[in-house]
Amino acid sequence: DGGITQSPKYLFRKEGQNVTLSCEQNLNHDAMYWYRQDPGQGLRLIYYSQIVNDFQKGDIAEGYSVSREKKESFPLTVTSAQKNPTAFYLCASSMDREETQYFGPGTRLLVL
Amino acid sequence: GIQVEQSPPDLILQEGANSTLRCNFSDSVNNLQWFHQNPWGQLINLFYIPSGTKQNGRLSATTVATERYSLLYISSSQTTDSGVYFCAVATGGGNKLTFGTGTQLKVEL
Repeated sequence: DGGITQSPKYLFRKEGQNVTLSCEQNLNHDAMYWYRQDPGQGLRLIYYSQIVNDFQKGDIAEGYSVSREKKESFPLTVTSAQKNPTAFYLCASSMDREETQYFGPGTRLLVL
Repeated sequence: GIQVEQSPPDLILQEGANSTLRCNFSDSVNNLQWFHQNPWGQLINLFYIPSGTKQNGRLSATTVATERYSLLYISSSQTTDSGVYFCAVATGGGNKLTFGTGTQLKVEL
């Protein structure tokens, strides 16, 4: 089945700890994206990548980092510099920059 | 940046009723999408519709780009239609989507 997978479904972070969220797609899409959703709110763009080995900051990139070493993978690291990391994180991909974006099931991150 | 406003913020329907959700945006767009987020958080793409009209079963959407709004129509609503409906737009030939705050829909028996 073609699609986008995210893992883990739930993730707990201790104070001062970096954590990495996984996003994998087998749709052969060029572009991938990370969004953050807070309760009762819309999604906000953290980072996006239009091609392997290239990525751009979105609207709320501070405290996050990404890499794009493979076309199918776009992991997101939530660093200790992100002071309010508790949120629902969604990964998406699209064939091209102006095409429909398809979303993974999300990862819920909680701070202990 | 571009502003996206959705209305109404909340909507309760009886099963079988019809509804119209609205999305207003503050600038020209090259990308407009409607999504449905189910109670488990999964975001499902409904329409890619920067202009014109599209239909898919009981759902249809119309975007009037010159007047900067889009409408999502839900006919013969079912309980499975419950969830949050988001409109998202991008401008300037890019793919940085800006989301509205959504319409929370509840369909009751």
